[in-house]
Amino acid sequence: SSKLTQDPAVSVALGQTVRITCQGDSLREYYASWYQQKPGQAPVLVIYGKDNRPSGIPDRFSGSSSGNTASLTISGAQAEDEADYYCCSRDSSGNHYVFGTGTQVTVL
Amino acid sequence: EVQLVESGGGLVQPGGSLRLSCEASGFTVRNTYMSWVRQAPGKGLEWVSIIYSGGNTSYTDSVKGRFTISRHYFKNTLYLQMNSLRTEDTAVYYCARVSSSWYFPYFDYWGQGSLVTVSS
Repeated sequence: SSKLTQDPAVSVALGQTVRITCQGDSLREYYASWYQQKPGQAPVLVIYGKDNRPSGIPDRFSGSSSGNTASLTISGAQAEDEADYYCCSRDSSGNHYVFGTGTQVTVL
Repeated sequence: EVQLVESGGGLVQPGGSLRLSCEASGFTVRNTYMSWVRQAPGKGLEWVSIIYSGGNTSYTDSVKGRFTISRHYFKNTLYLQMNSLRTEDTAVYYCARVSSSWYFPYFDYWGQGSLVTVSS
């Protein structure tokens, strides 16, 4: 199996831009998906594939990937974006899935 | 509208068993990849198991041989049978629908979660 590593916490001023990264060897082969989770709630898919947003997800959320690193960018962060964010992909074998360690985003 | 509703969680002693259910609506479970994901208190998300549309299954190493994922053809329901439970299995368990894309894996719909507490 393989790990996906994220920074534990980041903060961003209201209306500014923040980028959350996810590193892992399997990301050289598989795309990451990104999930937002607020306290006491189930995760919500915000980005999948190259840079796709499910219906209802604001366009301030975007995704990118390079080498072994996937990134989630929030452009013009809002107070409601304060949450934990997790990346996810397959592991190096392709047979299992793995979630990142999670990043807590604080909007100041 | 796609909905996933879990049930079956509760308090169980170490070594005991529990079966979680996830009733789906808005799509057909047997035609879809379905997974269980868990989250221990105060911790991150952990993938547990998947059942593919063809019926093949896969498990994370820590539950292999103890947990079994299955589905009911007519009830449109996903199950997780958990045996030989350990205290470290204590978590909120989510069922989720999984994309069939091999290189673009994602979980697009999630249930509300069911709390499993393993304690004496």
